[in-house]
Amino acid sequence: DVKVTQSSRYLVKRTGEKVFLECVQDMDHENMFWYRQDPGLGLRLIYFSYDVKMKEKGDIPEGYSVSREKKERFSLILESASTNQTSMYLCASSFRGVSNEQFFGPGTRLTVL
Amino acid sequence: GEDVEQSLFLSVREGDSSVINCTYTDSSSTYLYWYKQEPGAGLQLLTYIFSNMDMKQDQRLTVLLNKKDKHLSLRIADTQTGDSAIYFCAEYSSASKIIFGSGTRLSIRP
Repeated sequence: DVKVTQSSRYLVKRTGEKVFLECVQDMDHENMFWYRQDPGLGLRLIYFSYDVKMKEKGDIPEGYSVSREKKERFSLILESASTNQTSMYLCASSFRGVSNEQFFGPGTRLTVL
Repeated sequence: GEDVEQSLFLSVREGDSSVINCTYTDSSSTYLYWYKQEPGAGLQLLTYIFSNMDMKQDQRLTVLLNKKDKHLSLRIADTQTGDSAIYFCAEYSSASKIIFGSGTRLSIRP
């Protein structure tokens, strides 16, 4: 079974802190994605990566950065957390091509105080 | 731009059929998906349909695709309490990206 794991289920941080969210997949997928999920807004793509050291901006990249140093790991970084970044963060991965099915991690609920 | 729309809530009686509807804008989408999100969990793919198909059936699930109207529906027969979840409609965009709708929260009445 494909497994996507995220480093924390719940996280509470203070405004201005630097926050790292880690995601690891074990199926050698080329593609990895970071979304945030907010009520009524569905999933919005923050950043994605096609390969190691490659990254592309999604729809809402402002205030975020990413790092992909190894194929299995994709990190989301909030350089200076703000209260409007309180959200559920979901990581996903997929093979390139075929059905492009994305496999999701369980999510990290981040609260910024 | 690309957009996927679906209603936010649906309530059905246990044992009835649930029908969740979705409209999308990109007529060139090759794949359309239904994902399920249970409370406190990530999304899980329920089923997908290739754009050259009109219908796909998998046990209690039936997906109907109307390409002319860009309308996708998911029917769940004999709805059970375990079907309570948020259901996301999604379309394949480009370069491995998927566009998700806002999700329909399905609640089951006894």
